[in-house]
Amino acid sequence: QQQVKQSPQSLIVQKGGISIINCAYENTAFDYFPWYQQFPGKGPALLIAIRPDVSEKKEGRFTISFNKSAKQFSLHIMDSQPGDSATYFCAASQISNYQLIWGAGTKLIIKP
Amino acid sequence: DAGITQSPRHKVTETGTPVTLRCHQTENHRYMYWYRQDPGHGLRLIHYSYGVKDTDKGEVSDGYSVSRSKTEDFLLTLESATSSQTSVYFCATLGAPNTEAFFGQGTRLTVV
Repeated sequence: QQQVKQSPQSLIVQKGGISIINCAYENTAFDYFPWYQQFPGKGPALLIAIRPDVSEKKEGRFTISFNKSAKQFSLHIMDSQPGDSATYFCAASQISNYQLIWGAGTKLIIKP
Repeated sequence: DAGITQSPRHKVTETGTPVTLRCHQTENHRYMYWYRQDPGHGLRLIHYSYGVKDTDKGEVSDGYSVSRSKTEDFLLTLESATSSQTSVYFCATLGAPNTEAFFGQGTRLTVV
């Protein structure tokens, strides 16, 4: 019940296209859903996060869509650029717990 | 950038030798974590700390121990390194639940 399932494991998108990464969770007590971006040789860094009181959050070209009833959330990258090539991790946590539960990661490659 | 420093950044060691990795933070964050990252496995939690001298095991704790004698320092020790512990190790800190986690730059450990 603590798992967060992330798909796909890898993704290749043409420059200018839309990249979509999906995550699903079981624990309905989760109330914080961040996405982290990791470039080679670096640690992950927070990209964008959402709380379940909203269905969508947008920051520039990055959007999180959240479906509480389906227990799913996804990251959309609009107008994908080669500089977006990185590994993306979804995660989930709850206010009463200091543990982040991580998805397995998606390696995104944007082809020029 | 958040003040999280891992040392060393790279290390090659022989099987059977003890190894200690250090994580130092200047954020005064209460929570600290050690992860290992291997291809196809995402981020796996080794040990975590929820305060000075308060630590607990994560999902892959066998063969590892930790200590936290000061808020700013979290040490990970491999008592007797094995080739299966060859990995990239990341330290992370968290100020409060459901907030941004900050990662160090990682330590690449090779056990030969």
